[in-house]
Amino acid sequence: AQKITQTQPGMFVQEKEAVTLDCTYDTSDQSYGLFWYKQPSSGEMIFLIYQGSYDEQNATEGRYSLNFQKARKSANLVISASQLGDSAMYFCAMEEYNFNKFYFGSGTKLNVKP
Amino acid sequence: GAVVSQHPSRVICKSGTSVKIECRSLDFQATTMFWYRQFPKQSLMLMATSNEGSKATYEQGVEKDKFLINHASLTLSTLTVTSAHPEDSSFYICSASNREPYEQYFGPGTRLTVT
Repeated sequence: AQKITQTQPGMFVQEKEAVTLDCTYDTSDQSYGLFWYKQPSSGEMIFLIYQGSYDEQNATEGRYSLNFQKARKSANLVISASQLGDSAMYFCAMEEYNFNKFYFGSGTKLNVKP
Repeated sequence: GAVVSQHPSRVICKSGTSVKIECRSLDFQATTMFWYRQFPKQSLMLMATSNEGSKATYEQGVEKDKFLINHASLTLSTLTVTSAHPEDSSFYICSASNREPYEQYFGPGTRLTVT
């Protein structure tokens, strides 16, 4: 089974609108962390946001928020007020702390339209 | 935020030669460094995890004799692609972690082209 599933290979959003990028995960580890990264065309990976499995509140970082639904094993990224510079690949990732494993999803390519 | 550098950013080499890629954490001590490989339009693939002063742990299917990893200090890890082949051409990304708060800081990547 896929450890990290991103079902949206590509997304379009109008500038200034909000967009949700989906991510579901699969783990039997009780302790894990969920990450979102942005990868622009330059190739570098930019850390956006982190959610620990024991964190009760959803993580927020500026325009980024993580909609963490533990029972459903989902960790969707919400970007508010999209900007043209948000156009990039977005990867969801998970680290299993007890198993010491790290997994990336297949990514979602986001295009922000002016 | 923490800064991780990679050198070189881009390298072209001939088949059969070896190439060394450096990964440095510039403003923090990285207890763990990770090496990834990214194929075009695909996700990152974790190649190996290295802890300072110990041997790297390679993921299944990654040849440890071909991809030599050294993590000699808390700020430097190197990946050496030995006897490079054209199929080794890829984008190699390192990341560093000091385990607090479990964030990984990624380097900018190294584009390797083997001719």
